[in-house]
Amino acid sequence: EAGVTQFPSHSVIEKGQTVTLRCDPISGHDNLYWYRRVMGKEIKFLLHFVKESKQDESGMPNNRFLAERTGGTYSTLKVQPAELEDSGVYFCASSQDRAFAFFGQGTRLTVV
Amino acid sequence: GENVEQHPSTLSVQEGDSAVIKCTYSDSASNYFPWYKQELGKRPQLIIDIRSNVGEKKDQRIAVTLNKTAKHFSLHITETQPEDSAVYFCAATVSSNTGKLIFGQGTTLQVKP
Repeated sequence: EAGVTQFPSHSVIEKGQTVTLRCDPISGHDNLYWYRRVMGKEIKFLLHFVKESKQDESGMPNNRFLAERTGGTYSTLKVQPAELEDSGVYFCASSQDRAFAFFGQGTRLTVV
Repeated sequence: GENVEQHPSTLSVQEGDSAVIKCTYSDSASNYFPWYKQELGKRPQLIIDIRSNVGEKKDQRIAVTLNKTAKHFSLHITETQPEDSAVYFCAATVSSNTGKLIFGQGTTLQVKP
């Protein structure tokens, strides 16, 4: 069974540019979460999808961040325009029963 | 707000010694506490978890204990090996029970051969 996959693994962009991260959850997992780890700090929750619906987006930093999960399969997280403080590792996780979340390898985003 | 504190931030032990990482949480309604291990450049992987109706759980060399009254839980690794070197994260679910996890700050464990 394939795990949670994320693309790209690394991204370096200039301040003001746009970046789109993608997450493919484990097949059949209705719950999809986005998290972010900034500068060696804790992993922080961004948002939670149940199928294609946003269940909780309380962790989204601001309106420069847009997450979608069309069709309830893969999800994208767009940052537009990117700022320096957006740098960090973005993790996606999926689960079937809201426990035992499986994480992807993360996308390391560097904004310069 | 919801918060998980994790200590220590770094831990260095000799191979064969034990390692203990401690976490405290703020939401008394939290009922699920997973521990994740992240090796360098790899994904966080669930290594052990405990639910609120259990006080202790063991899996070979790792164990987790939970004290709901004090709102803290700990990870114990015995007979440490160099391959145990990694960053360890504790986490707790929030009271809304959506599966959303609040993570601790992480502990970098180094096991010296």
